[in-house]
Amino acid sequence: QKEVEQNSGPLSVPEGAIASLNCTYSDRGSQSFFWYRQYSGKSPELIMFIYSNGDKEDGRFTAQLNKASQYVSLLIRDSQPSDSATYLCAASGGTSYGKLTFGQGTILTVHP
Amino acid sequence: NAGVTQTPKFQVLKTGQSMTLQCAQDMNHNSMYWYRQDPGMGLRLIYYSASEGTTDKGEVPNGYNVSRLNKREFSLRLESAAPSQTSVYFCASSKTIFTEAFFGQGTRLTVV
Repeated sequence: QKEVEQNSGPLSVPEGAIASLNCTYSDRGSQSFFWYRQYSGKSPELIMFIYSNGDKEDGRFTAQLNKASQYVSLLIRDSQPSDSATYLCAASGGTSYGKLTFGQGTILTVHP
Repeated sequence: NAGVTQTPKFQVLKTGQSMTLQCAQDMNHNSMYWYRQDPGMGLRLIYYSASEGTTDKGEVPNGYNVSRLNKREFSLRLESAAPSQTSVYFCASSKTIFTEAFFGQGTRLTVV
């Protein structure tokens, strides 16, 4: 079992819709969680980080963390074609001390 | 404002050749990472350095070595390149093991 797993995708949503991206992690001691966006041929860039249970909002993005169920999600409201990219979930801390571990990524396409 | 700088950006090697990928960060970060990215595999951790003076294996360390030369620099060495090491390599750094990581622009390596 991979330490961080993302829903398989690819995910396609119409412009203006809500895109929901999910991620589960196996290391119960993980303490920090991150969402990155990666455009084709580019390096990953940070969108959100979350450390505590609950929701964290930043503009059109909301990260949700549920440590009891060991899942993290990212909601993108009012999706735009420019949001089309691969989204990577990552976790760090816990028994994998120092290891920033990524999921395999979910490809999101927002069509006009 | 350079951030994380990787060299080279592109490299072609013949099987059996050796090379070193260089990474330097100017953000005074303590932790540094080397990842490889293959299609559909997300980012897989090769080695990381939680702090200056320490290095640890990640998920896929075989065939690689690393050196944390000082706080700024973290190099990745391929002693005898194999076609299976054809990939895009990313270096990243973070202030601590619990905080967000920032990525270099990547090195596209082809082993023929």
